[in-house]
Amino acid sequence: DSGVTQTPKHLITATGQRVTLRCSPRSGDLSVYWYQQSLDQGLQFLIQYYNGEERAKGNILERFSAQQFPDLHSELNLSSLELGDSALYFCASSDRFGSPLHFGNGTRLTVT
Amino acid sequence: DAKTTQPPSMDCAEGRAANLPCNHSTISGNEYVYWYRQIHSQGPQYIIHGLKNNETNEMASLIITEDRKSSTLILPHATLRDTAVYYCIVRVALPGSARQLTFGSGTQLTVLP
Repeated sequence: DSGVTQTPKHLITATGQRVTLRCSPRSGDLSVYWYQQSLDQGLQFLIQYYNGEERAKGNILERFSAQQFPDLHSELNLSSLELGDSALYFCASSDRFGSPLHFGNGTRLTVT
Repeated sequence: DAKTTQPPSMDCAEGRAANLPCNHSTISGNEYVYWYRQIHSQGPQYIIHGLKNNETNEMASLIITEDRKSSTLILPHATLRDTAVYYCIVRVALPGSARQLTFGSGTQLTVLP
């Protein structure tokens, strides 16, 4: 168990809809990272937050947004969903000392 | 971050050592070598990391060449549960706000009974 919790585990929704994925980092970790993994694709970095502030952006679409709250949990919001957004979405966290990232078990999003 | 090169796939017999190579010839002096693995559709799992010295933990050993241009991850006694995609990643690790990991294609390790 990595200590990173992601909810929900599975999500099925229709095109055009909006969903919110939630991540609780390991206790004490200040950084949260979001990754997307489409079917048979590699892990693509989306965005990083550190102690509530956006720190780095990767290949994140404008339809997607994220935030990190004062209690350090994070949410990834996906809107105007398309079939191609179907993927596994992983959250990871790390502490302030540059430790390795630890990943949750992901949310599997299916857009129909 | 420096780019890494790994073989796309490897097989290993159960109970034998699995040696997974990684080339990172453009690594900088402040970049660490990290190894992660991903068992089918699960979240990537951290295995080990190192800067220039060899490292060992309960999961694996990491051997880094003296010039730091390549490394080998060793799973001493592979089991069927070690079948996974293994990622070698080079990354600067700075306190305060560690940078994200950039995943390549990795090596699909299949442990055979």
